[in-house]
Amino acid sequence: GESVGLHLPTLSVQEGDNSIINCAYSNSASDYFIWYKQESGKGPQFIIDIRSNMDKRQGQRVTVLLNKTVKHLSLQIAATQPGDSAVYFCAENEGSYIPTFGRGTSLIVHP
Amino acid sequence: DAGVTQSPTHLIKTRGQQVTLRCSPKSGHDTVSWYQQALGQGPQFIFQYYEEEERQRGNFPDRFSGHQFPNYSSELNVNALLLGDSALYLCASSPVRGSQETQYFGPGTRLLVL
Repeated sequence: GESVGLHLPTLSVQEGDNSIINCAYSNSASDYFIWYKQESGKGPQFIIDIRSNMDKRQGQRVTVLLNKTVKHLSLQIAATQPGDSAVYFCAENEGSYIPTFGRGTSLIVHP
Repeated sequence: DAGVTQSPTHLIKTRGQQVTLRCSPKSGHDTVSWYQQALGQGPQFIFQYYEEEERQRGNFPDRFSGHQFPNYSSELNVNALLLGDSALYLCASSPVRGSQETQYFGPGTRLLVL
């Protein structure tokens, strides 16, 4: 079946820098996308979502960009903090409420 | 609100055994989904329960079964355990089946099969 994947398995940044985590998806019928943060020993935690009729959505320190032409999704974290260190997953839905997860990117923030 | 809770937190079993994992959904949620997360991978959907019935199922064998109780809590049962069943099992709840609203995940049960 079609899948969601991530370009970079590990991203290291300095505290205060901006982070960009990328995700490629292959299912052109996907209409809803979610970014999750998973800290060690915890389940995934919702960060931000975006529907396919949008190309940008902003939250608190986070922005998600969606490029449907190239089927690409990104998560931007402004002023990255040590508490942002975690594994980040993008997930996509196609008309159902069952997200399909990619493999994940590990974000390491150095103080 | 305690959020989604799961028990036990960790479990060790041997091949061939059976295991039951438990989940209590977030208050106000009536739909429960189960996921398997292998080490270094994203969660993979197992199945979803709503109104005490299995509504959707992922690509998992019949050894994986579940149940939902009238209070919306749920169990995941795995029979004839294999080494490859070692993983983090996540429960997620949502308020309305089929809604696009995001799911809330529990902390998971870490299962090790020896």
